[in-house]
Amino acid sequence: EAQVTQNPRYLITVTGKKLTVTCSQNMNHEYMSWYRQDPGLGLRQIYYSMNVEVTDKGDVPEGYKVSRKEKRNFPLILESPSPNQTSLYFCASSIAGELFFGEGSRLTVL
Amino acid sequence: AQTVTQSQPEMSVQEAETVTLSCTYDTSENNYYLFWYKQPPSRQMILVIRQEAYKQQNATENRFSVNFQKAAKSFSLKISDSQLGDTAMYFCAFIHFTSGTYKYIFGTGTRLKVLA
Repeated sequence: EAQVTQNPRYLITVTGKKLTVTCSQNMNHEYMSWYRQDPGLGLRQIYYSMNVEVTDKGDVPEGYKVSRKEKRNFPLILESPSPNQTSLYFCASSIAGELFFGEGSRLTVL
Repeated sequence: AQTVTQSQPEMSVQEAETVTLSCTYDTSENNYYLFWYKQPPSRQMILVIRQEAYKQQNATENRFSVNFQKAAKSFSLKISDSQLGDTAMYFCAFIHFTSGTYKYIFGTGTRLKVLA
């Protein structure tokens, strides 16, 4: 089954404790991206990657890092999470412009 | 800067009726796509319909159709014969292609409730 898989789906952590949200896709898509969804703000793009070893900032990259060492994986790293990073996060891959989303990761930073 | 505006935070419609969700966007680009995504309470993001800017014909997918007005930069979604399962948050999205890269911009969403 074609899918984008994110883990963890839910996470509660504390300020400053590094965490990684993994994202993997099995559709051989070159384009992958991360979004955060906040009430009243819609989805905002954090980072995207056009291909392996090629990443670029989206609209809200502060406080996040990404890497793209393999085509299928695109982890999102929060080096020192803060409460304002509490959000619902989506990973997506894309072909021909259409986004295929993961199921989302609900992150709470205390 | 490119923006997407959804001016209706919430809407409701009676089952079997028709409803239109509005979306406007701002861009100086000529090569772009527009999308409507649906997010039901399960929070999964589901593609509803897409429209390429170079196509003049409005896209249609079963009960869902768009009214694409390129000059006015408007991209509204019409849902006909509304069903309870259409209850969801709807996001309008825009993707533009510039210098070999492309970025997605989403609107803030319209929460649609279909009433029995």
